[in-house]
Amino acid sequence: AQSVTQLGSHVSVSEGALVLLRCNYSSSVPPYLFWYVQYPNQGLQLLLKYTSAATLVKGINGFEAEFKKSETSFHLTKPSAHMSDAAEYFCAVNPSSARGSRLTFGEGTQLTVNP
Amino acid sequence: DVKVTQSSRYLVKRTGEKVFLECVQDMDHENMFWYRQDPGLGLRLIYFSYDVKMKEKGDIPEGYSVSREKKERFSLILESASTNQTSMYLCASSPPGITNNEQFFGPGTRLTVL
Repeated sequence: AQSVTQLGSHVSVSEGALVLLRCNYSSSVPPYLFWYVQYPNQGLQLLLKYTSAATLVKGINGFEAEFKKSETSFHLTKPSAHMSDAAEYFCAVNPSSARGSRLTFGEGTQLTVNP
Repeated sequence: DVKVTQSSRYLVKRTGEKVFLECVQDMDHENMFWYRQDPGLGLRLIYFSYDVKMKEKGDIPEGYSVSREKKERFSLILESASTNQTSMYLCASSPPGITNNEQFFGPGTRLTVL
């Protein structure tokens, strides 16, 4: 079965510092990969997605992620953290193009941004 | 903009009650999903549906059922609520066909079972 592992349930950075949130997946074939963000008391919002068109994917709010097949990783980065980036971030994988296939989510990483 | 709405943001029920959580999407999406979200466990799929009257079990279907009589509406039913079903419930929808499309989420319903 597909799985996604997010390393670090809590990450804390200073405002202006680099944000790095880690995600590793298990898959025998290149999957579809997603990063979602959840702000307090809200649903999930898509940050970016990997669909095999390019290994470096740019998303909203200055975030980007790089697909590395050799490392089975899809880490999320942002060069300079802003206070408004404080939220919970979820990595998700969809391994198949079959009808009805669905996303498997990681456990989530809570990002805190300190002034 | 795609809108996914859920009938309640907060709900308090008693053990043994029958609970209905409603989800409506306005973009004619074929696929709809129900998840529960618990701290440290991420989102876990309860049920999903890729067509009217169709349903598929997710990873944790026990204690839940679903209903999809109309394309835009997907209901989650707790036949007899229990305290271990206290959680945040999230509904999502996605377009048909290409499954690398994103899922669009509602705001969630925080259910407390006393």
